[in-house]
Amino acid sequence: QVQLVQSGAEVKKPGASVKISCKTSGYTFTSYYLHWVRQAPGQGLDWLGIINPSGEFTVYAEKFQGRVAMTTDTSTRTIYMELSSLRSEDTAVYYCARAPLVGDPYFDHWGQGTVVTVSS
Amino acid sequence: SYELTQPPSLSVTPGQTATISCSGDKLGDQYASWYQQKPGQSPILVIYQDAKRPSGIPDRFSGSNSGSTATLTISGIQPMDEADYYCQVWDTSTAVVFGGGTKLTVV
Repeated sequence: QVQLVQSGAEVKKPGASVKISCKTSGYTFTSYYLHWVRQAPGQGLDWLGIINPSGEFTVYAEKFQGRVAMTTDTSTRTIYMELSSLRSEDTAVYYCARAPLVGDPYFDHWGQGTVVTVSS
Repeated sequence: SYELTQPPSLSVTPGQTATISCSGDKLGDQYASWYQQKPGQSPILVIYQDAKRPSGIPDRFSGSNSGSTATLTISGIQPMDEADYYCQVWDTSTAVVFGGGTKLTVV
């Protein structure tokens, strides 16, 4: 079955960086984009960006440009999301989610989420 | 930037029909998707491409999209349907956009 398994919770200080992984299995890796979405405590869903399976194509949400980087390790079917210059407002659950390569994206499978806490 | 507007909350009694709206400029020109999220859990896709249901989603869930409004309809509401619901589209200028979410309470 399709699985997206994310790395564990992180606690970071303001100004630091965090790198989260999302290991995929159970489907043809090259047939789906991967996206990152976050959810601050008690808030809605907020899209960070998209990466294609080979890692050659990325699009980042304007509000995160310059602070976010998404990469892929095709050998392990794992994608990574690094967010830098962390501030308290970045405290959130971060999800990876799969979307088909063709057509408008929709997210049919999600990771379990990674809690990132930014606190001094 | 593109925005999607949902009602913050909706209360329904078991057995009734819940209708959750999602409005945005010319929303009907794009495909809308809907997600259900229960506390402490990852979102689950319940409707995609306006009206399609993924396998495993009950046919009590249906969707439509026309003009400036997409609608998620849940018929025969059950206590297990209590959750937050989010609409989502792809906009050419803003990329992926989510609505603010609707908290559905079954009372």
